[in-house]
Parts: sequence; structure tokens; C-alpha cells
Amino acid sequence: GENVEQHPSTLSVQEGDSAVIKCTYSDSASNYFPWYKQELGKRPQLIIDIRSNVGEKKDQRIAVTLNKTAKHFSLHITETQPEDSAVYFCAASIIGTASKLTFGTGTRLQVTL
Amino acid sequence: GAGVSQSPSNKVTEKGKDVELRCDPISGHTALYWYRQSLGQGLEFLIYFQGNSAPDKSGLPSDRFSAERTGGSVSTLTIQRTQQEDSAVYLCASARRGHTDTQYFGPGTRLTVL
Repeated sequence: GENVEQHPSTLSVQEGDSAVIKCTYSDSASNYFPWYKQELGKRPQLIIDIRSNVGEKKDQRIAVTLNKTAKHFSLHITETQPEDSAVYFCAASIIGTASKLTFGTGTRLQVTL
Repeated sequence: GAGVSQSPSNKVTEKGKDVELRCDPISGHTALYWYRQSLGQGLEFLIYFQGNSAPDKSGLPSDRFSAERTGGSVSTLTIQRTQQEDSAVYLCASARRGHTDTQYFGPGTRLTVL
């Protein structure tokens, strides 16, 4: 089955700096890659996703890039703000099949003032 | 509209007791997932229901864990003979159809086994 590895496990950046979280996956058939954000004590929420027919997707300060050849994808947050502090989970799945969404182990991002 | 709800929000039980955790998905969502999240850890998949299909139980850690989904809506996760290592937050999520639809998570049930 699919295996998703996520790095780093913790990340501390100063407000205004950029943050990058990286994930690798094992199943070359995976073609759907969402990112979820979980604030302290709250439920995970989808923030952005990408499908394998594109290499990059942006939504304001958040972008995700995908390298299918290397089987890795990354979350980029620019101009970080304190409210970006949370745990971020990457995930992978295959569109149109019964294979479930496999989550990474999470990255705890701390944005300091 | 209403999101995913779970009950109870907190459950403290004694080792060896059985517990039932409930999930009410978003109306009309055919896909329902259960995950377990231990303190500071990631999301561990437990079980997946999709419509009337047989559930994917591949993530259940032991035969003490079971789940059902009645009428394609409400789901109950049952843990029999609870152990201390079962202590975690149990999250339920629903999605419109399947794995590549956005999963909407409930607030979770924090289970503590003494």
C-alpha cells in the first residue's frame, strides 16, 4: 500500500518568513494530494489540494508543488503569520479507485513574532 | 449547513469496559471515515464506509474494534475491553462521495482509559 513520509516533524519560522513542508509517497499511481491544517485543539481542515495533471497550485499565500518523477510534493507558505501556527498533514490517494487517503505524520509549524 | 458531529466529546472509562463512539456525518455524504489520533501524532486510518459497499476495515488495530453505519448515515465505533493504549482522540470524517473529495472532520471524541 501507499506510504507517505513527511518532513520536518517540527518547523519554527519568524513571522514574515516562508515555510516549506515536504512529503514523499511510494505509490507511483497516486495522483491526488491534499493538505490539511489542524490548529491546536481543533479538527483538521483541507487548505489546498493538487492533482497530478498540474505541477503547481497557488491560493494566496499557500502553494503546493508536485514532482511526479521524484514522487514528492511540497507545501509552501509565504509571509507567514501567527495564525499559520498549526499541524499540517499531507496525504495521497488515487482518483477513482478504492484506495484510501494515506496521511503523513504531520508537521508542527510554529510562527514566532 | 451542519457539519460533522461526534458524541460524546470526552469519554473516561475503566480498563476492560466497552465504549461506543458516535458520528453524525454531513447530510448527503456517502463516504465516512474513522481515524485515531494519539497525543501529538498523525491520523491513523481505522475504517471507511462508502454507500452500501462493504466497509474497508483494513486499519482496525484489533478485533476489539468494530464499527457500523446504519442507514447510510450515523456511524458507531465500538471498542470492547478497552486498554490504556486505546486512549486517543477518535476523529470521524465524511466526504461527498469518496477518497478524492474533501473530508470534513468532526470535533473528535477524546477517550481516556484509566
